[in-house]
Amino acid sequence: GAGVSQSPSNKVTEKGKDVELRCDPISGHTALYWYRQSLGQGLEFLIYFQGNSAPDKSGLPSDRFSAERTGGSVSTLTIQRTQQEDSAVYLCASSQRPGAGEAFFGQGTRLTVV
Amino acid sequence: SQQGEEDPQALSIQEGENATMNCSYKTSINNLQWYRQNSGRGLVHLILIRSNEREKHSGRLRVTLDTSKKSSSLLITASRAADTASYFCATDWSGANNLFFGTGTRLTVIP
Repeated sequence: GAGVSQSPSNKVTEKGKDVELRCDPISGHTALYWYRQSLGQGLEFLIYFQGNSAPDKSGLPSDRFSAERTGGSVSTLTIQRTQQEDSAVYLCASSQRPGAGEAFFGQGTRLTVV
Repeated sequence: SQQGEEDPQALSIQEGENATMNCSYKTSINNLQWYRQNSGRGLVHLILIRSNEREKHSGRLRVTLDTSKKSSSLLITASRAADTASYFCATDWSGANNLFFGTGTRLTVIP
């Protein structure tokens, strides 16, 4: 596609439910990043994928969070047993290769846990 | 924290004035980038400066980098109301190939 696509744009879920957030990176981009942004705050790094290498999961806040990237393309971020503090905008970005510089961002998924 | 720090956290100026935002970081870097965010959604890349560069220009943007002080500044000249947004610096750590963002500066340009 022309840009990074994230779905859904908005998600409202009940506390305790599982949610899946999807990211379609730009074709050919080997690096893919997930970030979380609470209202009025900076970007909190969650996880980074690079090609076929093991992902850097050091930013995942708890074991309720997991992510995978299938076939080196689409990525899914899963949050199990959602809590109200998980409410935030989840942003995905991709870049051509690590250290290549510019990362291209999707428009994010706004998650609200009620 | 892995993040960089921007200051000020918020900046309000009149249209036509210059806006300066600063970023400090903690580790050796390959490059430093500045991004802009409107309305709390996707970020847009503005400019990248490599660790061996000291200054870079792009239109009304001027970025400086001082690796000895681990700091960078973004200058927007002749600001416009449309420049109102949040601005973030991001560092590409040497050896990590990850991308970490600072806390952001909220710029308001008053028409």
